[in-house]
Amino acid sequence: QSALTQPPSASGSPGQSVTISCTGTSSDVGGYNYVSWYQQHPGKAPKLMIYEVTKRPSGVPDRFSGSKSGNTASLTVSGLQAEDEADYYCSSYGGSNNYVFGTGTKVTVL
Amino acid sequence: EVQLVESGGGLVQPGGSLRLSCAASGFTFRSYWMFWVRQAPGKGLVWVSEINSDGSSINYADSVKGRFTISRDNAKSTLFLQMNSLRVEDTAVYYCARGGQPAAFDYWGRGTLVTVSS
Repeated sequence: QSALTQPPSASGSPGQSVTISCTGTSSDVGGYNYVSWYQQHPGKAPKLMIYEVTKRPSGVPDRFSGSKSGNTASLTVSGLQAEDEADYYCSSYGGSNNYVFGTGTKVTVL
Repeated sequence: EVQLVESGGGLVQPGGSLRLSCAASGFTFRSYWMFWVRQAPGKGLVWVSEINSDGSSINYADSVKGRFTISRDNAKSTLFLQMNSLRVEDTAVYYCARGGQPAAFDYWGRGTLVTVSS
């Protein structure tokens, strides 16, 4: 199964918003409401930010939001802060008991 | 506090074997699906394997099927990954993760590095 497609980079100034896309197929993103998003700072473990397309785990700021339309999911970070600078990965259940991750997006806070 | 601590990584020659462990604490280990996810140096995340709470349901990525074996010891709150016939392309940081949300990995360990090289 091929990796989901994300833009390599995205950026914004503090206080602005940035949206990251995650494009798959009808066999993964489009077929299930099981898209999740992970934040990874350099040298650190990933952290779950969004699950089931739109849900936030406790402790994740409401500046982070998720959505999906067709085969493309999106993560929006509003009110960008310096600590949001990190790599972000989407993931989707891919059917047949497997999972697929996105290619990753490096978010830079200008 | 949920903690996952991986161990067992290291340098191994192509064709060799390694056994990774993931010690879990701070939650009822026997109640959760558990996963292995890997990340090659400078690359993205890749799902490797999953195991259900009692070990009766197991799945693997095609890239490791037939070479890797996932298992768990619920009495010791420990997850394992036996890796045989290792290839250069298996070089990666291996993370264990808890499946605490539907089709999502809610807690991750810090990872253990596996390097396959001659």
